Amino acid sequence: NAGVTQTPKFRILKIGQSMTLQCAQDMNHNYMYWYRQDPGMGLKLIYYSVGAGITDKGEVPNGYNVSRSTTEDFPLRLELAAPSQTSVYFCASSYGPPDTQYFGPGTRLTVL
Amino acid sequence: AQTVTQSQPEMSVQEAETVTLSCTYDTSESDYYLFWYKQPPSRQMILVIRQEAYKQQNATENRFSVNFQKAAKSFSLKISDSQLGDAAMYFCAYRSASDYKLSFGAGTTVTVRA
Repeated sequence: NAGVTQTPKFRILKIGQSMTLQCAQDMNHNYMYWYRQDPGMGLKLIYYSVGAGITDKGEVPNGYNVSRSTTEDFPLRLELAAPSQTSVYFCASSYGPPDTQYFGPGTRLTVL
Repeated sequence: AQTVTQSQPEMSVQEAETVTLSCTYDTSESDYYLFWYKQPPSRQMILVIRQEAYKQQNATENRFSVNFQKAAKSFSLKISDSQLGDAAMYFCAYRSASDYKLSFGAGTTVTVRA
């Protein structure tokens, strides 16, 4: 199993541009999550999904959108990128609520 | 939202020695889970150890063990026989049993001296 994969690994955006961060998992996990990690800080939850077609906001959803059309994929969309969105983004998945979350390798995004 | 506090921004340990990382949390829940994650320079978040609040026995994983004090809302991580590969940032995390979301502390950077 590849586990949780994320693409791209690095990206530089200009202010106002848009992009989609890809996340996929091959563990047949129902639950998927997007976090951001700012320098020297812990992770904060952006959005999460409890199954295909079901998503909900986390702590810091403003400026982002998600969709979950399949169990495997959970893309994160950034519209009108701002410097405040410069961060490292992590995708994670788990089988169910009591289960451990497994993380992808992260995407480092810089908005200039 | 639950608060997770790691009061030690940095810790240094000699190779083969023991280091203890502190974590406290604030919650009104009785059923929850606590985790320690390791983040090496590669940025990958790696689960180190997990503790269920309803279990009184402290979790252990090889050289890693926790001291879970439910009444004090304290969850410290002990790394025994420290190795150079243990150098990383360590995050304490909390999740309510009725919720899906993890709340993270700010992290503790562990340096291992050869």
